[in-house]
Amino acid sequence: EPEVTQTPSHQVTQMGQEVILRCVPISNHLYFYWYRQILGQKVEFLVSFYNNEISEKSEIFDDQFSVERPDGSNFTLKIRSTKLEDSAMYFCASRVTENTEAFFGQGTRLTVV
Amino acid sequence: KQEVTQIPAALSVPEGENLVLNCSFTDSAIYNLQWFRQDPGKGLTSLLLIQSSQREQTSGRLNASLDKSSGRSTLYIAASQPGDSATYLCAVTPRSGGYQKVTFGTGTKLQVIP
Repeated sequence: EPEVTQTPSHQVTQMGQEVILRCVPISNHLYFYWYRQILGQKVEFLVSFYNNEISEKSEIFDDQFSVERPDGSNFTLKIRSTKLEDSAMYFCASRVTENTEAFFGQGTRLTVV
Repeated sequence: KQEVTQIPAALSVPEGENLVLNCSFTDSAIYNLQWFRQDPGKGLTSLLLIQSSQREQTSGRLNASLDKSSGRSTLYIAASQPGDSATYLCAVTPRSGGYQKVTFGTGTKLQVIP
């Protein structure tokens, strides 16, 4: 069964460093998303991506964040200068169209020290 | 703005019991509703998807219902097992607004006691 793949599963970084979280969505999907979940809290929407551009972003997704689809398969989330409060589980998701099932990856746990 | 609420926040039941988890959402204009399972520190596993035109979906011991007009969904788990212990999340995809981002509920943490 096709699945969304995220790497790495866990990343530890020092405050102020840049990190790139990677995702490989399901191949025929057209809508891509990033979500985050701070420990013990709700899963929160960060950004959606469609037709090679950001289609919507939340207030969390400030100038420190960026997304890219550098080739036909990868979808990345970059945090330019990490802060302690960026520590969270980050989930990538994809779907074929807006009314179909959203498939989520297993997440990347980011720890900022 | 779509708000999704789940009650109860936590639930503890003895093994073998049937149980119901509740989800409510404020805007009935949705494409679909999904139920997810999340084990501690782990990812999101999709359990069931109900399209807005459907009333229920079943998978094994799980049955999810949807009453769009009242903004409610329930997840029924039959004959609960200790392996069912996890946090259960419901999530809706709204029709209105942006590119149909999934909006998650607050979750119900289930513990099934052997």
